Amino acid sequence: DAKTTQPNSMESNEEEPVHLPCNHSTISGTDYIHWYRQLPSQGPEYVIHGLTSNVNNRMASLAIAEDRKSSTLILHRATLRDAAVYYCILGNGNSGYALNFGKGTSLLVTP
Amino acid sequence: DTGVSQDPRHKITKRGQNVTFRCDPISEHNRLYWYRQTLGQGPEFLTYFQNEAQLEKSRLLSDRFSAERPKGSFSTLEIQRTEQGDSAMYLCASSFLGSLAPLHFGNGTRLTVT
Repeated sequence: DAKTTQPNSMESNEEEPVHLPCNHSTISGTDYIHWYRQLPSQGPEYVIHGLTSNVNNRMASLAIAEDRKSSTLILHRATLRDAAVYYCILGNGNSGYALNFGKGTSLLVTP
Repeated sequence: DTGVSQDPRHKITKRGQNVTFRCDPISEHNRLYWYRQTLGQGPEFLTYFQNEAQLEKSRLLSDRFSAERPKGSFSTLEIQRTEQGDSAMYLCASSFLGSLAPLHFGNGTRLTVT
């Protein structure tokens, strides 16, 4: 399985943009890039996914490098409620949908 | 949409005992997943069902673990002869069919084996 690499932790000030990086140099042509986050004491929550083009939704934006070897999750204005562990995961849905979460990036948001 | 519900939220058991957890998925969802999460780690895939059929099992799912989803609705995960290494958060998720359907997770059952 193709793996992802994320920083262990990041810190941001409230109301500022946050850029969470993810490296996936061994990504295959059929792998989608998925982002989930996990708030304290809760199960993971879907954030966004994409294949090649940049994607936007109400929660975040996903910027994908042209060579697809890296991507960045963008939170446009961080709030205290965005403090969570963010997971970048590759998956293509073949033979099931067994997403393999890594350790993710723990985001700290300070007022 | 009441979300994915898991019961119990916490379970403390003694080594060697059997435990069973229940998951009620979002009613319209065909797929149901079980994950395990230990402290400081991300969730690890255990198994998934499409309707009542168990389609994939991880190597992590030893012979002491069994999961069922009768009638394609709720699911149970049973651990027999629990060991201290089984202590973890057990997460259930559900989704629609489709390889890109987002997973909706419950808040998990925390198991402590003493």
